[in-house]
Amino acid sequence: ETGVTQTPRHLVMGMTNKKSLKCEQHLGHNAMYWYKQSAKKPLELMFVYNFKEQTENNSVPSRFSPECPNSSHLFLHLHTLQPEDSALYLCASSHGILGSGRSEDTQYFGPGTRLTVL
Amino acid sequence: GDSVTQMEGPVTLSEEAFLTINCTYTATGYPSLFWYVQYPGEGLQLLLKATKADDKGSNKGFEATYRKETTSFHLEKGSVQVSDSAVYFCALSDGLRYNFNKFYFGSGTKLNVKP
Repeated sequence: ETGVTQTPRHLVMGMTNKKSLKCEQHLGHNAMYWYKQSAKKPLELMFVYNFKEQTENNSVPSRFSPECPNSSHLFLHLHTLQPEDSALYLCASSHGILGSGRSEDTQYFGPGTRLTVL
Repeated sequence: GDSVTQMEGPVTLSEEAFLTINCTYTATGYPSLFWYVQYPGEGLQLLLKATKADDKGSNKGFEATYRKETTSFHLEKGSVQVSDSAVYFCALSDGLRYNFNKFYFGSGTKLNVKP
């Protein structure tokens, strides 16, 4: 499945580093999502972009900064992270509808970036 | 609010055994229901979905029926294989109260299949 790709697949960074995660979708979708998956916790929605506009910021700390330059690409810029930010970061995309949601709109996930903060 | 509850794991079965993973939901609107599977080191893959009551989703021998009367979407497979070992997530989506399709995921159920 290569519809949604993420790079890098693994990232180790220190607390003072700045790094970026990249997501690209080849499905012609207009909505893109960032999720955080930590051990023993439910999947957490972080950010949503619908037609390049940010429509959801789920109370995410400012050390995470998303960017969506076009409907195919999504970035997550990281700076001054904490060890508790270590997790699997998943990107997803869906068709999206301008200005609304539709419950049948399936989300397709990338393989994730395994982030370790030392 | 909307939520999904699925059975705790891990579930350990022998090859060719029958699988049931229970999932119940709470929703105020008319959600769609999904099952996703996550293999080790990978992201979530869509396994099957159902968009309205009494719909049955099916894929790769897995089935689940959208039961509005019992607010359930249990995952079943008649004969599991070692390659089915993975974590399974039940999810519902609500596209009516937001301007995007918001998903609610269960906590995941790990399935181990022994040869």
